[in-house]
Amino acid sequence: AQSVTQLGSHVSVSEGALVLLRCNYSSSVPPYLFWYVQYPNQGLQLLLKYTSAATLVKGINGFEAEFKKSETSFHLTKPSAHMSDAAEYFCAVTEGFGNEKLTFGTGTRLTIIP
Amino acid sequence: DGGITQSPKYLFRKEGQNVTLSCEQNLNHDAMYWYRQDPGQGLRLIYYSQIVNDFQKGDIAEGYSVSREKKESFPLTVTSAQKNPTAFYLCASSIDRPSISYNEQFFGPGTRLTVL
Repeated sequence: AQSVTQLGSHVSVSEGALVLLRCNYSSSVPPYLFWYVQYPNQGLQLLLKYTSAATLVKGINGFEAEFKKSETSFHLTKPSAHMSDAAEYFCAVTEGFGNEKLTFGTGTRLTIIP
Repeated sequence: DGGITQSPKYLFRKEGQNVTLSCEQNLNHDAMYWYRQDPGQGLRLIYYSQIVNDFQKGDIAEGYSVSREKKESFPLTVTSAQKNPTAFYLCASSIDRPSISYNEQFFGPGTRLTVL
């Protein structure tokens, strides 16, 4: 069975500082991994995805994530935080190939300090 | 302008009443999904459908029902049997091509249901 753990339900960083949101996964097969962002009272928007190609994945809004099989991790980073990055972020995993059931982590709320 | 629409945005229900949430997509996607979101719990899958007139239970289907009579529509009914229905409900859709490694899910804007 697949699962996702997001460490830290709330993260605060200063504007211009590094953003690091942690995600660890468990999967019985090579996984497909995703980061989604959600602004208040809105749906989810895909930030980036790992589907067994390059291990360093670049997404929208300057975010990137690195798939590390040995650590079963897929942490999300951004070099310099912007006020508009304040939102909730979800990591998700699926086994793919006809099994598109996504399993989500519990989310990390990112606050940007001016 | 393609996308997924959910209506209404806010919905209030009295205890003991059934209520139906609408989800429509014009992306020509085959598969559709319903998720429930609660604070601190992430998203949990309620039901999904990969083809018209067929659907499967997700992880938390009890107290919910769905139908898929048309490709573009996947309404969710929250029945009186659902013990704690107050939540944010998200609909999603994706193409369904097994030859592709993964078919990305696109999400609607959500419906916030409150039971009074």
